[in-house]
Amino acid sequence: QSALTQPASVSGSPGQSITISCTGTSSDVGGYNYVSWYQQHPGKAPKLMIYDVGNRPSGVPDRFSGSKSANTASLTISGLQAEDEADYYCSSYASSSTYVFGTGTRVTVL
Amino acid sequence: EVQLVESGGGLVQPGGSLRLSCAASGFTFSIYWMSWVRQAPGKGLEWVANIKQDGSEQYYVDSVKGRFNISRHNAKNSLYLQMNSLRAEDTAVYYCARVHGGKFDSWGQGILVTVSS
Repeated sequence: QSALTQPASVSGSPGQSITISCTGTSSDVGGYNYVSWYQQHPGKAPKLMIYDVGNRPSGVPDRFSGSKSANTASLTISGLQAEDEADYYCSSYASSSTYVFGTGTRVTVL
Repeated sequence: EVQLVESGGGLVQPGGSLRLSCAASGFTFSIYWMSWVRQAPGKGLEWVANIKQDGSEQYYVDSVKGRFNISRHNAKNSLYLQMNSLRAEDTAVYYCARVHGGKFDSWGQGILVTVSS
């Protein structure tokens, strides 16, 4: 039950694209397509942004996309906007009905 | 509209107990797995526990096994977390979350638990 590894911070200018990685093992990220991503603004509850690796819930802008290769999942934000500045966490199913979150990434819009 | 509202948090001494509640509304509570997720001050999210729709199965992160107990009352649309033998490292905001197909698709606003003497 070790946390998934994310970069501590990623930054970009408005309109640019950024990618956040989420590295786990074959027992979590690599073993299942139940990878999801959450956005959290300061003092707020997390919000689901991507589920099942690359699917967007209704209402989430298509600027947000997800993918996975082997034990690493990625979240890409295209056309970065000021309101995208937040913390982002990945999560993966990890067998036996348990879950694990990533270490979190602070996204800064320059 | 899905709503999850946590209650029962507060200040407790090390070794003490606390029971969190989560009141659910806006969806059919009894058909969903439910979870507790916590976030220590300034830290990341940590999955704590899961419970099956009928309460027959519960799963926990290793650090709380034997100390925490997740339960539910479907007729009251309520989720609970009984926390015993609390430690300073259990200090966190605790979120109630709905689980749907491998994702946490709805979250409560969170409730703060502080373990300190």
